[in-house]
Amino acid sequence: SQQGEEDPQALSIQEGENATMNCSYKTSINNLQWYRQNSGRGLVHLILIRSNEREKHSGRLRVTLDTSKKSSSLLITASRAADTASYFCATDSGGGSEKLVFGKGMKLTVNP
Amino acid sequence: ETGVTQSPTHLIKTRGQQVTLRCSSQSGHNTVSWYQQALGQGPQFIFQYYREEENGRGNFPPRFSGLQFPNYSSELNVNALELDDSALYLCASSWGVYNEQFFGPGTRLTVL
Repeated sequence: SQQGEEDPQALSIQEGENATMNCSYKTSINNLQWYRQNSGRGLVHLILIRSNEREKHSGRLRVTLDTSKKSSSLLITASRAADTASYFCATDSGGGSEKLVFGKGMKLTVNP
Repeated sequence: ETGVTQSPTHLIKTRGQQVTLRCSSQSGHNTVSWYQQALGQGPQFIFQYYREEENGRGNFPPRFSGLQFPNYSSELNVNALELDDSALYLCASSWGVYNEQFFGPGTRLTVL
């Protein structure tokens, strides 16, 4: 079953613009991770934010987490054509087996 | 490149056959998780192996089985293939069960 749900499901922007993706989830979590996937291939890990963190940065990426609203956002600044991909949020609820529960993903298209 | 490799890249089988997929984890990682990703969906957790023992299982029938070897590489076996088993199968490795999971490029399985 899907836990996270990305919003919007698809986003098309111009190079240089910022892209914001949102993720909502249902149960309490240990951490939340964002992944990128190009053309149905392997997932690339972007960033992990733990439940006791509110904001995290990595290069052009900024992730926020609001555990009271059970939501996270991923901001990509100064987007590039190479950022075109599907983006997934994945939550880790703990309990010993740290399986990741993924949303359905969001398709980002950055037009040159 | 994550250092996680999977073989084969693509595979075509017919209904009722059996298949074995292989995954080599990133150096130093002792945990391997397997995921099934149907077209247009997020990955679904199949099971996880930690130091050669199964450490959690998702909602998949027993005909999905796995193995982890002393060098922490892993196999996913699927018996009695069904058409709905057609998907991208992803493995991910991590150091322990609480850290970032790094994904391989996946094996695309088509069941005819």
